[in-house]
Amino acid sequence: GAGVSQTPSNKVTEKGKYVELRCDPISGHTALYWYRQSLGQGPEFLIYFQGTGAADDSGLPNDRFFAVRPEGSVSTLKIQRTERGDSAVYLCASSLGDGGRGNYTFGSGTRLTVV
Amino acid sequence: KQEVTQIPAALSVPEGENLVLNCSFTDSAIYNLQWFRQDPGKGLTSLLLIQSSQREQTSGRLNASLDKSSGRSTLYIAASQPGDSATYLCAVLDSNYQLIWGAGTKLIIKP
Repeated sequence: GAGVSQTPSNKVTEKGKYVELRCDPISGHTALYWYRQSLGQGPEFLIYFQGTGAADDSGLPNDRFFAVRPEGSVSTLKIQRTERGDSAVYLCASSLGDGGRGNYTFGSGTRLTVV
Repeated sequence: KQEVTQIPAALSVPEGENLVLNCSFTDSAIYNLQWFRQDPGKGLTSLLLIQSSQREQTSGRLNASLDKSSGRSTLYIAASQPGDSATYLCAVLDSNYQLIWGAGTKLIIKP
């Protein structure tokens, strides 16, 4: 596609539920990143994929968070047993597979609210 | 641990003024520094990217400088317009290829 697409744009879920957030990167971008942004703060790194594999998942806060990219394009961020503290905007970005040195294209984000 | 700080947190200026946004980082071992713009409810748009070997980049009314040794970058906006109102974030690509972000400067340009 022309840009990075994230769905849904908004998600409200009850505490304890499971959610999936989807990211469709720019065609041909082998690198894909997930970030989480809380109100009034900069984005916080979660996980980086190069192709199908998670090259760096050091930013995932705990084992309730998991992400996959089975075919090297679309990625899904999965959150189990959601907590109110998980409420944030989840941003996805993609770039050419150049070790992350190039420009990033960000999606519009998914605003997750856990009530 | 790399930390990125942006000052001021918020800035309001009349239309037409030139202004400077500041970004500082604690570890000079970076690959590059980027300035982004974020509009409410929208994603981040990359404005300027400065490689570690460069001193500045320009795009239209925007000029970004980088002084890696002192850990500082500035974003200069000339002849500000109401459409420039947004949150501006800087981010450095650290030695682990991770983007480390500042908290942003919320800019309001008053007509």
